[in-house]
Amino acid sequence: KAGVTQTPRYLIKTRGQQVTLSCSPISGHRSVSWYQQTPGQGLQFLFEYFSETQRNKGNFPGRFSGRQFSNSRSEMNVSTLELGDSALYLCASTPVMLAGGNEQFFGPGTRLTVL
Amino acid sequence: QKEVEQNSGPLSVPEGAIASLNCTYSDRGSQSFFWYRQYSGKSPELIMFIYSNGDKEDGRFTAQLNKASQYVSLLIRDSQPSDSATYLCAVARYNTDKLIFGTGTRLQVFP
Repeated sequence: KAGVTQTPRYLIKTRGQQVTLSCSPISGHRSVSWYQQTPGQGLQFLFEYFSETQRNKGNFPGRFSGRQFSNSRSEMNVSTLELGDSALYLCASTPVMLAGGNEQFFGPGTRLTVL
Repeated sequence: QKEVEQNSGPLSVPEGAIASLNCTYSDRGSQSFFWYRQYSGKSPELIMFIYSNGDKEDGRFTAQLNKASQYVSLLIRDSQPSDSATYLCAVARYNTDKLIFGTGTRLQVFP
């Protein structure tokens, strides 16, 4: 079974631009979460989606947004990029949406560099 | 106080020894507990999860959970140089997949 895929793997943007990252979960997984990883802050939760609905959102500014499609694929968008947005953006998918707290499997990540 | 705390290390152990990694959490509403391994430049890989108090064993790995003490640990038996990585502890509350991560413990296993 194929794992979580993320595209693109690497991205270089300049301040003020916007970016869209894509995530395809493991086949059959319906829940997708996004995380930002930086050396200073570690892994921080961005959003959680299930059945096209955002179930949870982390403490990030409104410039960070996301969505999920009917086929469970998800995208996240960052507008008006800042230097501090440079990070590894990770997508994780979950096999079963019961009471939550399920095991999450991470994709390879998208490395975003903002110049 | 951080929500999930781990000693950053590095924790250095000789090959064949037991490595003990520890994690404490502050939210008593936490219901699910995970250990991820992350090699440099790679994404986190799930190695263990535990939901109930006590021990859970999987191969060379044992996760231990004590909800009363808000403490979760990971033991790695017969440590190998290939186990050298950063180990991330993560917790989730009931009814959410939102993971709160610790900053990770770097483990070094030397031959």
